[in-house]
Amino acid sequence: QKEVEQNSGPLSVPEGAIASLNCTYSDRGSQSFFWYRQYSGKSPELIMSIYSNGDKEDGRFTAQLNKASQYVSLLIRDSQPSDSATYLCAVNLSGGGADGLTFGKGTHLIIQP
Amino acid sequence: DTGVSQNPRHKITKRGQNVTFRCDPISEHNRLYWYRQTLGQGPEFLTYFQNEAQLEKSRLLSDRFSAERPKGSFSTLEIQRTEQGDSAMYLCASSLANQPQHFGDGTRLSIL
Repeated sequence: QKEVEQNSGPLSVPEGAIASLNCTYSDRGSQSFFWYRQYSGKSPELIMSIYSNGDKEDGRFTAQLNKASQYVSLLIRDSQPSDSATYLCAVNLSGGGADGLTFGKGTHLIIQP
Repeated sequence: DTGVSQNPRHKITKRGQNVTFRCDPISEHNRLYWYRQTLGQGPEFLTYFQNEAQLEKSRLLSDRFSAERPKGSFSTLEIQRTEQGDSAMYLCASSLANQPQHFGDGTRLSIL
């Protein structure tokens, strides 16, 4: 059974600091990895996608993937209060997200002003 | 690009009734997905369409659930004989081939 594990938090980070969110997955066949942000009562919003080992940067966000360790992380630099949300890690087996995503339960991030 | 649209936003019904939700994907997206999310959990995959073909169904999709995408555009998800445990947010997502999925605002189902 495919599983995705995240620390549910809450993770509290001071404004301006780096927030580090982690995710592990059980299925070594997983090929595609995504981070979604979800505000309370809202739908998930795609933040980052990553498909190969290493780092991928987009603005203040950096996704890191280590397939050997089955580990994905998201770094948020210069954290802002508006970054306070639940961050969902999602994986799937196919190369581009064709089949259903398996989500973790999410990490609740709080940025303290 | 108007985004994924879901209707209704909120549905309240009595146990045992049937309900139907609609999802309009981003216009050029050929792939459409349904998920269910309960409080404190991540979304759980239900089913997926490529054009009008339903290609994958989760074990979560009991025989009371049926989904259609008759013309490869909008999709409907019907739940028959609703139960208390069906109370959840039902999310629809769409994508192009080999691209990330984008979610709609969801339909929140409340069973009285």
